[in-house]
Amino acid sequence: GQNIDQPTEMTATEGAIVQINCTYQTSGFNGLFWYQQHAGEAPTFLSYNVLDGLEEKGRFSSFLSRSKGYSYLLLKELQMKDSASYLCAVDQTGANNLFFGTGTRLTVIP
Amino acid sequence: SQTIHQWPATLVQPVGSPLSLECTVEGTSNPNLYWYRQAAGRGLQLLFYSVGIGQISSEVPQNLSASRPQDRQFILSSKKLLLSDSGFYLCAGPDEINYGYTFGSGTRLTVV
Repeated sequence: GQNIDQPTEMTATEGAIVQINCTYQTSGFNGLFWYQQHAGEAPTFLSYNVLDGLEEKGRFSSFLSRSKGYSYLLLKELQMKDSASYLCAVDQTGANNLFFGTGTRLTVIP
Repeated sequence: SQTIHQWPATLVQPVGSPLSLECTVEGTSNPNLYWYRQAAGRGLQLLFYSVGIGQISSEVPQNLSASRPQDRQFILSSKKLLLSDSGFYLCAGPDEINYGYTFGSGTRLTVV
């Protein structure tokens, strides 16, 4: 089985930095995805972490600790368009599908 | 790269009516395909996945069904919709560039 936890909602100010956490428990683990989903739209790929450490991609970075079952998504220099839900998804060993957390709805305020 | 086409974008259906949502894929042949549902304020729930023509694995109750009549076609159906079937339905296939999934644009279903 698997369990994935994320905060339900977060609010941050334009121009600031926000960190969205994800903890997971799975019987086998290949890697972890982060997706961005604007209201009424499909999720889009942000990052995929397999190894421990931080991966940076422009304003977005994603961190993974396999031993702790923990990941975070770091968004810098927040913009209003970053208001969206952020979904954490686990690629579980032996599974045919990804397992998604419930998502974190981020609201960026002026 | 792969493109997932999904329609309709929005659907309002009465309780007890049938449902058919279609998903077609451009790109790689014989992709794994998935139907997910996202209820309001909830995460993505896997409904069905298919590894090939005629091969369907179900993860949910029997009110919904899926079929894969062709390699690049995946259909979600119901004979009689329930209020609880309302939600945002997403078809997904493999993302060959980033790994993980690429998604169709989704269908917002409201059962009234």
